[in-house]
Amino acid sequence: AQSVTQLGSHVSVSEGALVLLRCNYSSSVPPYLFWYVQYPNQGLQLLLKYTSAATLVKGINGFEAEFKKSETSFHLTKPSAHMSDAAEYFCAVSNTGFQKLVFGTGTRLLVSP
Amino acid sequence: GAGVSQSPSNKVTEKGKDVELRCDPISGHTALYWYRQRLGQGLEFLIYFQGNSAPDKSGLPSDRFSAERTGESVSTLTIQRTQQEDSAVYLCASSLGDRDVNEQFFGPGTRLTVL
Repeated sequence: AQSVTQLGSHVSVSEGALVLLRCNYSSSVPPYLFWYVQYPNQGLQLLLKYTSAATLVKGINGFEAEFKKSETSFHLTKPSAHMSDAAEYFCAVSNTGFQKLVFGTGTRLLVSP
Repeated sequence: GAGVSQSPSNKVTEKGKDVELRCDPISGHTALYWYRQRLGQGLEFLIYFQGNSAPDKSGLPSDRFSAERTGESVSTLTIQRTQQEDSAVYLCASSLGDRDVNEQFFGPGTRLTVL
């Protein structure tokens, strides 16, 4: 069975600081991995996805994530936080890429001036 | 084109009543998914449609939950005899279907409150 663990239900950073949101996965087959963002009162939006083409994946809004098989991790980073990055971030795994997604419990990113 | 739409946006019902939630996927998307998001929790998969068939309904929590899809378009999620634990945001997503890795596009959700 697949599962996703997101460490830290809340992460607080100052504007301009590094953003690091952690995601560890469990999968019996090579996984497809996704990061979604949910802004207040909006639906989920895909930030980036890992499909085995490259271990470092670049997404929208300056975010990127690195797939590390040895650590079963897919942490999300952004060099410099912006106030508009405040949202909830979900990591998800799929074993086929087109069927169900298994989500983590989410991390709420708070950005202070 | 238009994104995934869901109706109603909010639904308040009394325990024991039946409710129907509707999802209109993006035109041309053959795959459709239903998820549930309880307060403070991640998204929980309910059911996946490919066309009008549901090859994976493993996430439906009980036989009170059912879903159908017609015309490879609109889907309806029905909850019978609602319970307070059914209170959640129900999210629908659609994608291009059984091809290479593809993005699921999510609707805004239906917030269900069972009193």
